[in-house]
Amino acid sequence: QQQVKQSPQSLIVQKGGISIINCAYENTAFDYFPWYQQFPGKGPALLIAIRPDVSEKKEGRFTISFNKSAKQFSLHIMDSQPGDSATYFCAASIGRLTGGGNKLTFGTGTQLKVEL
Amino acid sequence: DAGVTQSPTHLIKTRGQHVTLRCSPISGHKSVSWYQQVLGQGPQFIFQYYEKEERGRGNFPDRFSARQFPNYSSELNVNALLLGDSALYLCASSFGQGFHEQYFGPGTRLTVT
Repeated sequence: QQQVKQSPQSLIVQKGGISIINCAYENTAFDYFPWYQQFPGKGPALLIAIRPDVSEKKEGRFTISFNKSAKQFSLHIMDSQPGDSATYFCAASIGRLTGGGNKLTFGTGTQLKVEL
Repeated sequence: DAGVTQSPTHLIKTRGQHVTLRCSPISGHKSVSWYQQVLGQGPQFIFQYYEKEERGRGNFPDRFSARQFPNYSSELNVNALLLGDSALYLCASSFGQGFHEQYFGPGTRLTVT
């Protein structure tokens, strides 16, 4: 059972444009939603994360928007650069207060290519 | 500061063999999790260890096992390798159980022939 659905599978954006990647989850117990960036041959790198008590979080050119009622969250990359070309994964996990530990459930990934 | 380190970087094994993968977490981190990433897919959770005890297990067969040592390093063992075990095996460390921020190592690329 896939608990986190991610779209699109691939995305091509012009340099300077906005890249938008969407994720939807099913398990309402999730309360931590990170985004990871992965370059070929490397491990995923934590980009930015959000908890469901806020609707938006911004760090530099990266913004997470969170819609708790729709069970959806998205990553926006502003002023996209060729160096942003990578695979992006959304993920979700269940909170520490329930003792759910650290298990991350990942989406299927989005291959982003930023063209000059 | 050193990040998560994993060894070896690459490994080629034959079906039926056994493999041991190693991971050293970020200094000060006490929890280690293992993930399997098949080409073109997102990582899948295998195990989490905290204070040398298993705290979570994913949907993987008993051929997969792991342990954590007193210095918080960890190793993942896979017995009776199958072709389908070919994947990138990722180790992630976090400060402690329940702390969400997980930092991944570069992974070990396992190829089973």
